[in-house]
Amino acid sequence: QVQLQESGPGLVRPSQTLSLTCTVSGGSISSGDYYWSWIRQPAGKGLEWIGYIYYSGSTNYNPSLKSRVTISEDTSKNQFSLKLNSVTAADTAVYYCASGETRGYSDYWGQGILVTVSS
Amino acid sequence: EIVLTQSPGTLSLSPGERATLSCRASQSVSGSYLAWYQQKPGQAPRLLIYGASSRATGIPDRLSGSGSGTDFSLTISRLEPEDSALYYCQQYGRSPYSFGQGTKLEIK
Repeated sequence: QVQLQESGPGLVRPSQTLSLTCTVSGGSISSGDYYWSWIRQPAGKGLEWIGYIYYSGSTNYNPSLKSRVTISEDTSKNQFSLKLNSVTAADTAVYYCASGETRGYSDYWGQGILVTVSS
Repeated sequence: EIVLTQSPGTLSLSPGERATLSCRASQSVSGSYLAWYQQKPGQAPRLLIYGASSRATGIPDRLSGSGSGTDFSLTISRLEPEDSALYYCQQYGRSPYSFGQGTKLEIK
């Protein structure tokens, strides 16, 4: 069974870059078996799909964030990462990494990491 | 972007009753690519249903999904206290893969 764990700073300054890493166990990010996604959830609000990375590094991003988002992979460490630049308070949320065998939905989720954007 | 509207906002029922949660899409969801998730406080979402009606691994048959086009529903029979949670629908037929705003299910 795939297990995911998010890591990264819990506090980011406005206008800076949010950087998170998801470490995967129980599955290989280079196998082509899964789509590797990032999803976020502001406190007390709903879920927002950010994007995914798939086999050989192909990506798909939410257009609402596309100009600021990069999802990349490090196959040597079996990790994938999220970078969101020019952050504002509106980017404060719990960020989840997740994976699914089918494009679009996620069978497996990390526990989530709270990222606060504040000076 | 496909907008998903879930209703009701909150549903309060007693153990043993049946809950029906609705998810309506602003455009037809191709291939019935509609998923349902359950989220409890402080936890990550858990996949319940995919493909509108297929149960995910380990999901009991008390839960069932149905629908096509723009109207989908999740039915939970024989409610148990552990079913108390937020429920989200998600369409993955067209990018961006949007979520509904959620329905809160309370078990009295």
